[in-house]
Amino acid sequence: EVQLLESGGDVIQPGGSLRLSCAGSGFTFSRFSMSWVRQAPGKGLEWVSGVSATGLSTYYSDSVKGRFTISRDNSENTLSLQMNNLRAEDTAIYYCAKMSDSAGYHYFDSWGQGTLVTVSS
Amino acid sequence: EIQMTQSPSTLSAYIGDRVNITCRASENINSWLAWYQQKVGKAPKLLIYKASSLESGAPSRFSGSGSGAEFTLTISSLQPDDFATYYCQQYHSIWTFGQGTRVELK
Repeated sequence: EVQLLESGGDVIQPGGSLRLSCAGSGFTFSRFSMSWVRQAPGKGLEWVSGVSATGLSTYYSDSVKGRFTISRDNSENTLSLQMNNLRAEDTAIYYCAKMSDSAGYHYFDSWGQGTLVTVSS
Repeated sequence: EIQMTQSPSTLSAYIGDRVNITCRASENINSWLAWYQQKVGKAPKLLIYKASSLESGAPSRFSGSGSGAEFTLTISSLQPDDFATYYCQQYHSIWTFGQGTRVELK
């Protein structure tokens, strides 16, 4: 059974930094692309960032480009999101999502339970 | 960026009703569309991928149709467990979600 366990959420002041982690188990972590998706309180889902299976290719939404950095450690089965220069609008539950094993086009077939990031002074 | 628009935003229905949710893309995404169900306080769960393929373990009362830029999620007979918010998502170019459709008891 696929399991994704996020950690690292916290209350942080505007302009601060935070690092989220996601531990994957129950699947061959190094074979799958991974993403972070967030959900602001009472709002819809927003894709934030993605990384290829090897870690060589990374992708970011315009809203976080230049502030967030996605990475992965396939030896530790861990996905990370380094978030810098945090803003109030980054307040959200952050979900780690495993991407499908399909050529070319990938949807999100498994999700973690999420970790809450609150940016507030 | 491809925009996804769902309708309606809220849908009120009775147990046993047939329910349709529509999702429109701002450009042609072929069949690269997924549907997710999210219950309050829980993570989203995949229901449908490639517009009409049912995810393993998802109930057969859920079905998806459409291609190009217009898609539909159908629940053939609404059950108590189906009251939730549903999101469409395109994965043709990066990834974007619709704004969600909340299904509530009438």
